[in-house]
Amino acid sequence: GAGVSQSPSNKVTEKGKDVELRCDPISGHTALYWYRQRLGQGLEFLIYFQGNSAPDKSGLPSDRFSAERTGESVSTLTIQRTQQEDSAVYLCASSSPDSPNEKLFFGSGTQLSVL
Amino acid sequence: GENVEQHPSTLSVQEGDSAVIKCTYSDSASNYFPWYKQELGKRPQLIIDIRSNVGEKKDQRIAVTLNKTAKHFSLHITETQPEDSAVYFCAASRETSYDKVIFGPGTSLSVIP
Repeated sequence: GAGVSQSPSNKVTEKGKDVELRCDPISGHTALYWYRQRLGQGLEFLIYFQGNSAPDKSGLPSDRFSAERTGESVSTLTIQRTQQEDSAVYLCASSSPDSPNEKLFFGSGTQLSVL
Repeated sequence: GENVEQHPSTLSVQEGDSAVIKCTYSDSASNYFPWYKQELGKRPQLIIDIRSNVGEKKDQRIAVTLNKTAKHFSLHITETQPEDSAVYFCAASRETSYDKVIFGPGTSLSVIP
């Protein structure tokens, strides 16, 4: 695709339910990132995938959070037993050494609301 | 791990004035420092970046300076315009953006016409 695609764009769930968020990076981008942005707050690093290397999971806030990536394509971020404090926009970004200025390309995010 | 701090959290300037946002980082191995702009309801976009072998970089009304010894870098916007109003994020990474990128908490800039 032309850009980073995230789905769903909005997700409302009940406390305690599991959710899956999806990210389709730009084709050929080997690096993929997940960030969390609470209302009015900054970009909190969650996890980073780089090619076939082991992902950097150092930003995941608890063991309820996990993410997978199939090769250099789609990634899913899973949040188990959601809590109200998980409510935020979850942003995905991808990059490549061939990207103009090697910048991060962000998706439009998934707005997660936990009731 | 890397920690990036950013000041001020909010900044209000008159149209035509300059705006300065300052950031500090903790990881001495960081050598790539991008700045992203996020307009309300939109995704962040890169506006300028600087690498550690350069002390200053300018692109039209935007400039960034880096002091690697002190581990701080700054964004300067001159002749501000209303469309500069947005949240600005500084960030740090060890190897350009092809590596883990840690963002500061952001600065909300308001340019008053």
